Amino acid sequence: QKEVEQDPGPLSVPEGAIVSLNCTYSNSAFQYFMWYRQYSRKGPELLMYTYSSGNKEDGRFTAQVDKSSKYISLFIRDSQPSDSATYLCAMSSLGAQKLVFGQGTRLTINP
Amino acid sequence: DAEITQSPRHKITETGRQVTLACHQTWNHNNMFWYRQDLGHGLRLIHYSYGVQDTNKGEVSDGYSVSRSNTEDLPLTLESAASSQTSVYFCASSDNLDNEQFFGPGTRLTVL
Repeated sequence: QKEVEQDPGPLSVPEGAIVSLNCTYSNSAFQYFMWYRQYSRKGPELLMYTYSSGNKEDGRFTAQVDKSSKYISLFIRDSQPSDSATYLCAMSSLGAQKLVFGQGTRLTINP
Repeated sequence: DAEITQSPRHKITETGRQVTLACHQTWNHNNMFWYRQDLGHGLRLIHYSYGVQDTNKGEVSDGYSVSRSNTEDLPLTLESAASSQTSVYFCASSDNLDNEQFFGPGTRLTVL
């Protein structure tokens, strides 16, 4: 079993829809949770960063962490074609510099 | 502006050849990482370094090596390229204040 599991999709939704992307993990030591966005033929870029449990909002994006269930989510409101990308979750434990990545979910927003 | 660059961006080589992929960062970050990205596997860590002269193996290190002689560079060497090493390779760096990693643009390697 992988430390971090992420449904690879692909996921295709119409413009304006609410998108929910999720990851589960098995390592209870994980404290830092991130979402990276990767456009086609580009390197990943950090989108959201949360520490421990709770929610974080940034514009149309909301990251949620539920440590009791070992489950994290990324919500995209009012999705746009420019949100079409691969979204990767990543996690690390306290004091660790290494990240453990999920497989990535390929998302397409249709105009 | 600080950045992280990789070269070459594309490489085609033959089985058995030695190949070196370059990674250069101007962030002055202590930590540098090499990943490979394949369909269905996401990003898998090959090697990483927490400073000059420090190198560590990741989860898929067999057939790869790195050396860190300065802060800016972490070249990745494939000792004897195999077709299973056909992949997209990403270099990343981070500082010790938080663990956000900044990624390079990637190198697409094909081993024939």
